[in-house]
Parts: sequence; C-alpha cells; structure tokens
Amino acid sequence: AQTVTQSQPEMSVQEAETVTLSCTYDTSESNYYLFWYKQPPSRQMILVIRQEAYKQQNATENRFSVNFQKAAKSFSLKISDSQLGDTAMYFCAFMKPQRPNDMRFGAGTRLTVKP
Amino acid sequence: DGGITQSPKYLFRKEGQNVTLSCEQNLNHDAMYWYRQDPGQGLRLIYYSQIVNDFQKGDIAEGYSVSREKKESFPLTVTSAQKNPTAFYLCASSIGAGGLTEAFFGQGTRLTVV
Repeated sequence: AQTVTQSQPEMSVQEAETVTLSCTYDTSESNYYLFWYKQPPSRQMILVIRQEAYKQQNATENRFSVNFQKAAKSFSLKISDSQLGDTAMYFCAFMKPQRPNDMRFGAGTRLTVKP
Repeated sequence: DGGITQSPKYLFRKEGQNVTLSCEQNLNHDAMYWYRQDPGQGLRLIYYSQIVNDFQKGDIAEGYSVSREKKESFPLTVTSAQKNPTAFYLCASSIGAGGLTEAFFGQGTRLTVV
C-alpha cells in the first residue's frame, strides 16, 4: 500500500518570505499523480498544485511550485512571497492512475503566515 | 455556480442514534467519495461510488452506510455501530477513473456525539 509522510506537523513563516513543506511517499509504481491540497480555516479543501510522475518538469502555479524528486520519492511544496491568506493546513496526496478512489493523504502540515 | 454542498455544517448525535449527512454535487461528476478527518491524521476513505447504484467500501467503512440513487447525491449514514463517530466528514467528487482527476471537496460536516 502507498503511504504518504509529511514530517512537519507545524510550520510558520513571515509574510513575504519563502517556505518549503516536505512530503515523501512510498510506492513501487512508476506512474502516479501527486497533489498538494490546502485546507484553510473554512475547512474547504482546495487543490493547490499537481504533478504527473512521468513528467520531469516541476509543476508551477503562480507563487506555488514543487520540487519533485522521483528517485528519492520526494514531493516538496515551495510557497514564495507568502501571504496571510496562505495560512492553512496543507495535505500532500498520492494517487494511482485509474484509481482515484485510492487517493492517499499525508497527515498534514499546519502553516501559519505571520505579519 | 458548480460545486459540492454538504449539510448540515454542524451535527450533534446522541448515543445510539443514526444520523445522515447530505452531499450534493452539480458538477456532473460520476465519482463521489466520503472521507473522515481526525486531528493529526490525513483523510481516510469511508466509501466511494464510481457510478449510480454502485458503491464500494473504503478503509474505514465499519459503522457507516451510503446510497447512490442519483448521480448528484451521495448521503452518508453514521450508524450506532460506529463507536467513535465524532469527527469532521468531507465529501468529494471527481470526473471518474482515468486521467489526472482531481477531487473537488465540499465544506464538510462536523459531527459530535453528545
């Protein structure tokens, strides 16, 4: 079974600075998808960014980017120019193609952006 | 606007009662899911449904039941057999199997046993 590990239960960052959230996963598959979801205090889960394992290029969405290291099974999220609205729980998730019902989530990292 | 609606936002249950959490989507998605979220843990899958009139157990289905009579609706019943039901419940939907299918989530229901 796939497992997803987020080793940082809590992190904080000053507004406008950069922060990196870690995620590692364990799988024997060669093709899969990885996601970062954000859960703000409203509790609505929102997709931040996604990566397909067969693509070597790291995904980028505005201030959010990932560092995907397939050999190391690492998928970290970098948030640049942090904003107060980035304060949230962040979940890393793993999914096999054709098996969206088997999406595996990490335990989450609580990020606080300080003014 | 398209999206997923969960109701109620807060729900209180007495010991021994069954309660039903509502989940409705107007995204025309085939697949729907129920997750349970506990502090310090990731989301855990309770049940999922890939098409109408079909559903499968997830990792923690004991003490829960679902139905999928309509494409738009996937209600979750928390039965008295669920020994520790106090948690945050999230409903999600996706287009279905195949391709990079992201899940869209509702705003959740907080269930508390009193």
